[in-house]
Amino acid sequence: GEDVEQSLFLSVREGDSSVINCTYTDSSSTYLYWYKQEPGAGLQLLTYIFSNMDMKQDQRLTVLLNKKDKHLSLRIADTQTGDSAIYFCAEGEGSQGNLIFGKGTKLSVKP
Amino acid sequence: AAGVIQSPRHLIKEKRETATLKCYPIPRHDTVYWYQQGPGQDPQFLISFYEKMQSDKGSIPDRFSAQQFSDYHSELNMSSLELGDSALYFCASSSTLTEDEYSTDTQYFGPGTRLTVL
Repeated sequence: GEDVEQSLFLSVREGDSSVINCTYTDSSSTYLYWYKQEPGAGLQLLTYIFSNMDMKQDQRLTVLLNKKDKHLSLRIADTQTGDSAIYFCAEGEGSQGNLIFGKGTKLSVKP
Repeated sequence: AAGVIQSPRHLIKEKRETATLKCYPIPRHDTVYWYQQGPGQDPQFLISFYEKMQSDKGSIPDRFSAQQFSDYHSELNMSSLELGDSALYFCASSSTLTEDEYSTDTQYFGPGTRLTVL
C-alpha cells in the first residue's frame, strides 16, 4: 500500500541548514507537500512540488525531488529557533485525492 | 487572506455521547476533507466531499458521519464516543480551480478541533 517514511528527529544549531528527508511509495503521486505543525497548532502548508519537477526554491526553503528513488527532501537555510516544529511530508494525487502523511520529523533548533 | 475555520476549537465529551464538528472552507473552495490526528500521530484521512457529494472515504468509523451543505460548510457527526476518539480533528479545503493566492488542488488546513473524550 501507500506509505510515506520520515526520520523522527533532527537537531541542528541556530544558523545551520536543516535537511529533512522523506521517501514515498506511490508512483502515481502528483503532488508532494511539506507541512509544519507547531505544538498544539494546526498544519501550515510550507511548500509543495509537482512530481514532474526536480527542485523548487522558496526563500529559505528548498525542496528536492528524486522521482526515480521516490525521495523528497526539505532544506531550511539559516535555521532559526522559530523553525522548531514537526514537519510532515505528504503525498497526494491532487484533484480531491486525500493526502498520505509521514509520521513527521521533529526539528529541534538549539541556540 | 481567509482561512479554513473550524468550530469549536476545543470540545470535551463523555463516553457514549455525541459530538458535531463544523468546518467552513476557504471561500470558493469546492472540496472539503476531514482528518484525524491522534496524540503523537500523523493525520489520517477520514472522508472528503466535492461539490456536496462524498468523493472519497478513508478510515472513518461507522459511528461517524459527515456531510457538506449547500453553502459548502461541512459537519462531522460522531456518535457513541469512545476514549480512543480523543484526537485533533482537522478540516482542509481545496479548489479545483486556481483562485487568488491559493494553488489548485492544494489542501489548506484549519486550526483543528481538539476533542477530549472522558
